[in-house]
This record gives sequence, structure tokens and C-alpha cells, in this order.
Amino acid sequence: DTAVSQTPKYLVTQMGNDKSIKCEQNLGHDTMYWYKQDSKKFLKIMFSYNNKELIINETVPNRFSPKSPDKAHLNLHINSLELGDSAVYFCASSPGTPGGSPLHFGNGTRLTVT
Amino acid sequence: DAKTTQPPSMDCAEGRAANLPCNHSTISGNEYVYWYRQIHSQGPQYIIHGLKNNETNEMASLIITEDRKSSTLILPHATLRDTAVYYCIAQIYNQGGKLIFGQGTELSVKP
Repeated sequence: DTAVSQTPKYLVTQMGNDKSIKCEQNLGHDTMYWYKQDSKKFLKIMFSYNNKELIINETVPNRFSPKSPDKAHLNLHINSLELGDSAVYFCASSPGTPGGSPLHFGNGTRLTVT
Repeated sequence: DAKTTQPPSMDCAEGRAANLPCNHSTISGNEYVYWYRQIHSQGPQYIIHGLKNNETNEMASLIITEDRKSSTLILPHATLRDTAVYYCIAQIYNQGGKLIFGQGTELSVKP
């Protein structure tokens, strides 16, 4: 069974559209994250949720809105997509309260904005 | 910015030990050293972490120098499937999972 699953795996869309990426974890973890990996392969955290509450919000444009309907799901909605949003987006989870427990990552969603 | 420096790339022969170095000369006393790897087209995978003592698990060993300014990740018997980018991260244990990834070391295991 996949521990952290993201859908879709690939997403191609045009500038100005609105799109969502879904993430689910079946590990029973309390904390979930979104990371972005750009074309230069740098991985940066975007958001972190613990038990459906936002705890980390990096300087991400407000066109990006995470939503956590329950602690097993953290979805990412992006409004008015721009060319610079093209990247691979990774969802991750970790057990317990935010801390040093290892993160478990999904296999990413490759977003291409044309 | 990442607080660690790693060589951009390394090669290793299949079956031999792969020793991946990491410098973290500005690490503070409450920061752990974490290692993750990213195999092409997959999400990062946790390998091991440590504070002061050397650590070993089923995947690898972590050797941390006494002054904690550097460390080495050891894959004892590298296989072709170990080809990946390896990230060394210095992080406060309770940082809320906010990992700061650098550029990592691209390890190529060759037959």
C-alpha cells in the first residue's frame, strides 16, 4: 500500500487556470506538508498542517491555498496559474506533533503551466 | 539557505562502500544531522539521523566527528539502486518538519 499518495502524477494546464492537487496518507500521521521542487532541483517547504491546523506558511503567494479536510488529507489549490508555478510538488507526512520525526514523501505531482 | 555543504557528485563501484561526506561547520548544539535521498522521479526518502553519536540502521551508517562539524554517510555495499541524490540537512529537532534542502550529492553507482 502506498503510504503517501498524490494525484494527479502529471498536470499540464494553461496560464490563468485554477487547479488542485490532492494528497492522502494512510500512516496515521498528524502532520502533513507541501514541498516544491523547482527546475534547479531545490526542495522548499511551502506549508505544514498539524491536525488540520496550519502551522507553517512560508512566503508563498496567496494564489496557493492548502486545505485539510481531515488529518489524512492535505490538498493544494492553485488559482490563476503562472508559468513560474511549473515545478514538482511533493506532499509529505510525519507522526506526532511537529518535530524531528522523519518525513515520508509522496512521489510528486509534476505541474507544467503553458 | 542550507547550512551544509556536500560535493556535487561522486561515483562508487557496485558492491563497494559509498562514503558521502558533509560539512556543517556552523551547526549548533541542538541541531541534528539528517540524511535523505531522492531517486530519480521519486520523492525524498529518509535514511538516518543523529546528534552526536554514530548511528546505524538497515540502510546506512552515520559517522559524526567529535566536534560535529562534519559527518559521513556510509552505504556499506552500494547497489545500482542506490544511485540517487543524497541530501545532508542540519536541523533543529523540533523545527516543525521544515527541512532545508541544499543541492545534495549525486551518487552514481557503476557496475
